[in-house]
Amino acid sequence: IAGITQAPTSQILAAGRRMTLRCTQDMRHNAMYWYRQDLGLGLRLIHYSNTAGTTGKGEVPDGYSVSRANTDDFPLTLASAVPSQTSVYFCASSVDSSTDTQYFGPGTRLTVL
Amino acid sequence: GDSVTQMEGPVTLSEEAFLTINCTYTATGYPSLFWYVQYPGEGLQLLLKATKADDKGSNKGFEATYRKETTSFHLEKGSVQVSDSAVYFCALSDPAGGSYIPTFGRGTSLIVHP
Repeated sequence: IAGITQAPTSQILAAGRRMTLRCTQDMRHNAMYWYRQDLGLGLRLIHYSNTAGTTGKGEVPDGYSVSRANTDDFPLTLASAVPSQTSVYFCASSVDSSTDTQYFGPGTRLTVL
Repeated sequence: GDSVTQMEGPVTLSEEAFLTINCTYTATGYPSLFWYVQYPGEGLQLLLKATKADDKGSNKGFEATYRKETTSFHLEKGSVQVSDSAVYFCALSDPAGGSYIPTFGRGTSLIVHP
């Protein structure tokens, strides 16, 4: 069982380019989340999805979009990347939206130049 | 709103030393409390949790007690190892605040020297 996989592992991107970070889980969890991790700021929630077909905004949603077409996949898209989006991005899941324990992927390190 | 405050790092210790990482919280309701650990180059993973006052969560020699009177959930370990070097995150989940999604502290880096 892989748990949560993320791709790519790392990426360097020119400002203004579009980028999609992929996240797939094989645990059949209903709820999924995207966080960014910045030094000194900890984890901040970008977007979440309580179940396939629904999404919601977190603490820092601007410049990001998500979709949840099925249970397993939860891609995060940066439509036009900016240097302030340089960060490490983590995808996470939980059994459902009323379960508080989260399971994290290994992360994607993104650098926007 | 809900918040978590944990001691700033890095915390630097010698192997076999005693570890305490302080964590305090504010919450609307009666939250569940967590410690997550992030090893270098990896994602976070749950270390331990407690769901009600005076509960003690424990795992891998680490423990933390839910103290409602002091709104604290300090992480302790009696004898740290080099392999415990990681970043530790305190978190809370407070459905009374409208969601089960955890609120995380900023993380505390632990460095253990041989």
